[in-house]
Amino acid sequence: AQKVTQAQTEISVVEKEDVTLDCVYETRDTTYYLFWYKQPPSGELVFLIRRNSFDEQNEISGRYSWNFQKSTSSFNFTITASQVVDSAVYFCALKPDAGNNRKLIWGLGTSLAVNP
Amino acid sequence: EAGVAQSPRYKIIEKRQSVAFWCNPISGHATLYWYQQILGQGPKLLIQFQNNGVVDDSQLPKDRFSAERLKGVDSTLKIQPAKLEDSAVYLCASSLSAGSLLYEQYFGPGTRLTVT
Repeated sequence: AQKVTQAQTEISVVEKEDVTLDCVYETRDTTYYLFWYKQPPSGELVFLIRRNSFDEQNEISGRYSWNFQKSTSSFNFTITASQVVDSAVYFCALKPDAGNNRKLIWGLGTSLAVNP
Repeated sequence: EAGVAQSPRYKIIEKRQSVAFWCNPISGHATLYWYQQILGQGPKLLIQFQNNGVVDDSQLPKDRFSAERLKGVDSTLKIQPAKLEDSAVYLCASSLSAGSLLYEQYFGPGTRLTVT
């Protein structure tokens, strides 16, 4: 079965706190891609990161960092020193079997509220 | 670089009426997607085009939904007749190619449809 689970439905933090959004995936494919998207209140889904199954190196981009662990099938997303502008719904997605036309499998999203 | 354009941004119709949405993808993007996103859920793929051919329409309710991408560039999604459960945000996305390594999809602002 192909599945993405984002167990945290809603998270509320105070500005400047660090926050981690969890993503656990299931796939039998050895080759796959994982993605994170941000959906602010305006509604537009914004691409944040793509990671392929052969690259377990963690990535940092400014205040954002991602921790990919194949051993636990997780691809967690951490925002350091959160800001009000980070308030959004964050989606994790899986594309099984990279290289063909298989569709993205989406998690249900985690709604993050960063309060001043 | 211009992003994915969609119109209209908002539409309110009565049940049994028809409605059409328009999407213009990022220039050079061969693959175009239409998603339906119901409040509180992740996006659900309705149809995927590669140039002007349909790659996946397995989740498109074909008795009432139709989509076309005649010249392989912009696309129209139509609902006829609309039902109350069609109330959702309809998102258009594009990517360079579904089979390429650069698979990330770029989304438009969406059309929020309310069926009364």
